[in-house]
Amino acid sequence: DTAVSQTPKYLVTQMGNDKSIKCEQNLGHDTMYWYKQDSKKFLKIMFSYNNKELIINETVPNRFSPKSPDKAHLNLHINSLELGDSAVYFCASSQGTGGGGQPQHFGDGTRLSIL
Amino acid sequence: AQTVTQSQPEMSVQEAETVTLSCTYDTSESDYYLFWYKQPPSRQMILVIRQEAYKQQNATENRFSVNFQKAAKSFSLKISDSQLGDAAMYFCAYRSADSNYQLIWGAGTKLIIKP
Repeated sequence: DTAVSQTPKYLVTQMGNDKSIKCEQNLGHDTMYWYKQDSKKFLKIMFSYNNKELIINETVPNRFSPKSPDKAHLNLHINSLELGDSAVYFCASSQGTGGGGQPQHFGDGTRLSIL
Repeated sequence: AQTVTQSQPEMSVQEAETVTLSCTYDTSESDYYLFWYKQPPSRQMILVIRQEAYKQQNATENRFSVNFQKAAKSFSLKISDSQLGDAAMYFCAYRSADSNYQLIWGAGTKLIIKP
């Protein structure tokens, strides 16, 4: 009965490959996010979707492409992986607009390691 | 733009004692929300406590409480009766009450519990 689940938990791959990370939430939330956490633990928002529409798109290389087939899923596809993409990627979800102050619920993270 | 500052990269406390983690933020808004998240070595991001800026009363959750000083833009987290399981990175975060969905994160404080 995991609330926000992302797969895989670990991903080790070669530079130049293309990979995807999947995220699903069963909380009925309408907003989902992708974060990148670097080796210094700093959390950086990458994307946010509300009801399948992109609402936050920070300065992220266009090799990163989020896809939201429905409001319970937000997948992250990464093309031509680079060494600097090594990080932990977190998916999160929340309900409603910012006016409600609802907290974000996080997945367990995917540790991506580029060889 | 809003910013969140956690000035203590690392703190340590003896088991069963009390520790306070500091967080300050900068904003021109009057209505917003503040959060503390915990990230143990298991990598999960877990919501610890949430505070609405329009509420003067400090939020509490069992052994966790905050000291919210709106005029000083300070939002410290107090952990009473520290336990070994409290060892984690603690992140302070800010969210506007308008339609901006984004959380603004601090850099985190690593809390070490000494047995």
